[in-house]
Amino acid sequence: AQKITQTQPGMFVQEKEAVTLDCTYDTSDPSYGLFWYKQPSSGEMIFLIYQGSYDQQNATEGRYSLNFQKARKSANLVISASQLGDSAMYFCAMRSLGGGRRALTFGSGTRLQVQP
Amino acid sequence: EPEVTQTPSHQVTQMGQEVILRCVPISNHLYFYWYRQILGQKVEFLVSFYNNEISEKSEIFDDQFSVERPDGSNFTLKIRSTKLEDSAMYFCASSESRAKGIGTNEKLFFGSGTQLSVL
Repeated sequence: AQKITQTQPGMFVQEKEAVTLDCTYDTSDPSYGLFWYKQPSSGEMIFLIYQGSYDQQNATEGRYSLNFQKARKSANLVISASQLGDSAMYFCAMRSLGGGRRALTFGSGTRLQVQP
Repeated sequence: EPEVTQTPSHQVTQMGQEVILRCVPISNHLYFYWYRQILGQKVEFLVSFYNNEISEKSEIFDDQFSVERPDGSNFTLKIRSTKLEDSAMYFCASSESRAKGIGTNEKLFFGSGTQLSVL
């Protein structure tokens, strides 16, 4: 079974500062993928970044980077230069990359509020 | 950028009624999914669909639920006899996944969701 833990129910950050959202995971699968999604107040789920367990380098997508520490089973999202539009709910998720299973397991989310 | 489209955005129904939630996945995608999010809770996987059949389903996806791809573009979720606890946001998603298994970098595109309220 897979489990995602997001221990920060809410976070505040000042505009233009960087913020780290924590995510730890547990799985017995040898190969897996880790995802971050953003859910603004309008409700849609927006893909942000992906990291494969086999990837040697940490993933980056614009202002988003993933601090992947495999031994610690953590996949923290770093948002640099926060903007007011970054205020949203952020979900960490994972899925197995083998065995035909495709279901994403989500964490409980972190609500980020960017302050001017 | 292509997007997953869901209709309706809101659906209100009486307990015991049947509802059909509709989705148009991205046209060249091969895998389709339904997820749900009860207010204030985690996003939960319901079912995945590939090659015109269910490839994986969760414990939530019981006999009251069914999925169908009636034509080349639509993907539907039917709840036969709704219960109060079915009230949730239902998300459709799709992914391209030309390759399967290890090494697949799969970006899942979600629709905007259908908010289902069962009274």
